Amino acid sequence: GAVVSQHPSWVICKSGTSVKIECRSLDFQATTMFWYRQFPKQSLMLMATSNEGSKATYEQGVEKDKFLINHASLTLSTLTVTSAHPEDSSFYICSASNKLKDTQYFGPGTRLTVL
Amino acid sequence: AQKITQTQPGMFVQEKEAVTLDCTYDTSDQSYGLFWYKQPSSGEMIFLIYQGSYDEQNATEGRYSLNFQKARKSANLVISASQLGDSAMYFCAMRVYNFNKFYFGSGTKLNVKP
Repeated sequence: GAVVSQHPSWVICKSGTSVKIECRSLDFQATTMFWYRQFPKQSLMLMATSNEGSKATYEQGVEKDKFLINHASLTLSTLTVTSAHPEDSSFYICSASNKLKDTQYFGPGTRLTVL
Repeated sequence: AQKITQTQPGMFVQEKEAVTLDCTYDTSDQSYGLFWYKQPSSGEMIFLIYQGSYDEQNATEGRYSLNFQKARKSANLVISASQLGDSAMYFCAMRVYNFNKFYFGSGTKLNVKP
C-alpha cells in the first residue's frame, strides 16, 4: 500500500505555544488529505478535509482559527495547533487519498501533550 | 444522515478460530464504499479490506472477508484462523462519495486468547 509519513511522532509543548504537524504522502499524489483527532479508547473524529490548492473544509465544532490546515502540494499537508492548551492534548492522525473509490492511507499519528 | 454502528465494544476469540465483527451502516446515497481498519496498540491505522456498494461479490483479502448484505445495510468483517497478532481495535468506516469523507464506527476491541 501507499506510504504516508507524519512528523513529529510525538511532541510536548507549553501552553500557549503553537505546534505544526506535517503529513506527507511519500509515493503517491494525494488529492485529498484528512485530519483526525482521537481520544483514548475512542474512535477517530474527523477534524477537516483538505484538498490540494483549496481551503480546508472543517467539521462542525472544529475551530478553523485554532487548527490551521494547509495543503500546499499534492504530497504535503500541515496542521498547526495555535495557542495550544492542555485540552488540545490528543492523538492526531492524518490520512491521504488519491482516488475517490479507494481507501485512505494513514500516517502513524502524532501524540501531542500540552503542559 | 450517514452513520456507522459497531455494537460490540469488545470481543474474545480463541486462537485459530474464526470471528465476526459486526458493522451496520446508514446512508441514503447509492454510491459508497465500506472499509475495515485495524489499530494495534501502537496507534497506526492499517487498511484491511474494501467493499464497494455496487460490488456483487463479497470482498476477500487473505484471512479477512467482508460479509456484505446490502439490503440489511451490514458489512461484517470475518477473520478466519485468528492469530495472537490480530488483537487490536477494529474500525468499520464508510466513504460516501458525494461527500468525500469517511465516517467511522466506535470500534471493536478484539482479544485473541492463546
